[in-house]
Parts: sequence; C-alpha cells; structure tokens
Amino acid sequence: DAGITQSPRHKVTETGTPVTLRCHQTENHRYMYWYRQDPGHGLRLIHYSYGVKDTDKGEVSDGYSVSRSKTEDFLLTLESATSSQTSVYFCAISELGVAYEQYFGPGTRLTVT
Amino acid sequence: KQEVTQIPAALSVPEGENLVLNCSFTDSAIYNLQWFRQDPGKGLTSLLLIQSSQREQTSGRLNASLDKSSGRSTLYIAASQPGDSATYLCAVSTGNQFYFGTGTSLTVIP
Repeated sequence: DAGITQSPRHKVTETGTPVTLRCHQTENHRYMYWYRQDPGHGLRLIHYSYGVKDTDKGEVSDGYSVSRSKTEDFLLTLESATSSQTSVYFCAISELGVAYEQYFGPGTRLTVT
Repeated sequence: KQEVTQIPAALSVPEGENLVLNCSFTDSAIYNLQWFRQDPGKGLTSLLLIQSSQREQTSGRLNASLDKSSGRSTLYIAASQPGDSATYLCAVSTGNQFYFGTGTSLTVIP
C-alpha cells in the first residue's frame, strides 16, 4: 500500500468554525489531490498540487483553500465550515500527474453541525 | 466536461458467477482509465490501470478492457467470491484531472 495518511480520521465541528485536514505521504510523489465523496456525486476534485507551493483548483473549490509547504504534506482548509461541506474527504497522490496511477488515503469523515 | 457513468448502480450475484461491470465516458481524449475497489468506510484501492494506447489489462481474476473510441470500459471478474463484495469505481484522466463514476455496488452471495 502507498504510504498515505490522513488526519484527523473523524471530525465533528460547528458551522462557521475553521477546519484543517492534513494529508501526509511517504512516497515522494509530486502530485497530490483533495477530493470529496458524497452520495450520488461520486468523487469530485477540490484542489490539487503539482509541487511545493504549486496548487490549482478543481471543480468544487469554493469554500476551500490548500497549502503545500513540503513535498510530503498537503493541507485542506475550510475557512468557515458550512453544513454543505459535511462529507468524506480523500487525499490522493500520483507520481507525475494524470498519466500515472493514483493512490488514495483512508479518508476523513467530516460532519458540520 | 468529462462525464463518467457506471451501470448498474448495484449488482447481486451468486458465488462463482462471472460478471461484467461497465463504465462509459463522454470525452475519448483520455490519458488512461483506472478501476478501483472501495470497501465500506474505507479508501479506494487501485485494481487496474489501462493506458489510452492499451486495449486491456489483467490481474488475477480481473480483466479490464478499454475501447477509447466508443468511450467504454468493462471490468470482468471471473469466478466471483464473497470477498469481492465492494463498490467498484472507474476513473478517467482528461486534461489535468481525474473524473470518477459513482460506482457499482457488488454483492456476491455465498
């Protein structure tokens, strides 16, 4: 299994509070991705990173920001959590981008009350 | 925008049966197609990756085919087992993103 961890694994927070999710990899892969998974929608890309300090938006990026200060860490921040952001969040990595295989972390279940 | 569809959404088969899962996509300009397995409450496990220049890939009892021109892929599972019960997702890479289907939930009945 690819060395990908996510923290926390479960979190319950209140509307309006900031939340940061962390993805850590030990594979030294250049690309990292954040997805959310919701019933009926499948996995949708939030943001991705193609190198340290290099990030770009996915199809559902509103309300989310990301940062990558080290190759191994990719942070997802919800600046002011809303109930619509209740979801399961997955981090994925890929060695050199879309032409290569993706590997997924175990996920973080976030509930916003 | 790439749209990925998986039909059926759910499938129940008796143990030992051979089965086919379907994946279709609207934009044939893909780099590759990847099949994943997801167990309840878990992350996605990569099963097979087919590059756009390939027609099929095999791993054990799994065989995946790709017809890029028609926008279709199939995942063939031979001699199904109860341990194969899971949700199977396909994803295609187009542009700079991966696009996922909503999955087929497979139940193999002992």
